[in-house]
Amino acid sequence: DAGITQSPRHKVTETGTPVTLRCHQTENHRYMYWYRQDPGHGLRLIHYSYGVKDTDKGEVSDGYSVSRSKTEDFLLTLESATSSQTSVYFCAISPHLAGGANVLTFGAGSRLTVL
Amino acid sequence: GQQLNQSPQSMFIQEGEDVSMNCTSSSIFNTWLWYKQEPGEGPVLLIALYKAGELTSNGRLTAQFGITRKDSFLNISASIPSDVGIYFCAGQPQAGTALIFGKGTTLSVSS
Repeated sequence: DAGITQSPRHKVTETGTPVTLRCHQTENHRYMYWYRQDPGHGLRLIHYSYGVKDTDKGEVSDGYSVSRSKTEDFLLTLESATSSQTSVYFCAISPHLAGGANVLTFGAGSRLTVL
Repeated sequence: GQQLNQSPQSMFIQEGEDVSMNCTSSSIFNTWLWYKQEPGEGPVLLIALYKAGELTSNGRLTAQFGITRKDSFLNISASIPSDVGIYFCAGQPQAGTALIFGKGTTLSVSS
């Protein structure tokens, strides 16, 4: 999607290894989010950021950490990947949390397989 | 936590048929959004609703923000094969909170 780039788009890793997914935006939006999508569960919020170095937990944050050192980059890290973290991960951005500006724009997704 | 109940979970329809799906909650929401996700891509916004009772159209799509603020529906008229995908509702419980998503409705259209 224009303005949001996720990398890598596909990754296969082994249980116990660290994994970092990157989200890069060119829209200068304040808010950035990481969601995971799993069959039967829809989209679930992992973590979100409301500014550089400002982050908060979402619904399914256990086993994940995030960092935002620059407005344009939001990293999602799995310190020690488990098979339950096999999923498709989506980054999203929004300019604000209120009203009409709280409309998320999503990236194309990163498919992670943990063997 | 707050949840959105989206139904139906899946639909198999013939081209030309109309489609209706909805989202309900036991809690009040300030904003309702409808997204569509095509295979291998991220969700894309279809319609945004900001006031109770609001009815908004986008081409063949029509969505409404329920009067009670606890539900929303999406209708698709005269479906075509490119309507295939997963449709998600999303709601914002109150200003300053993150969106909550429903589990999605998977739509299949046969020609």
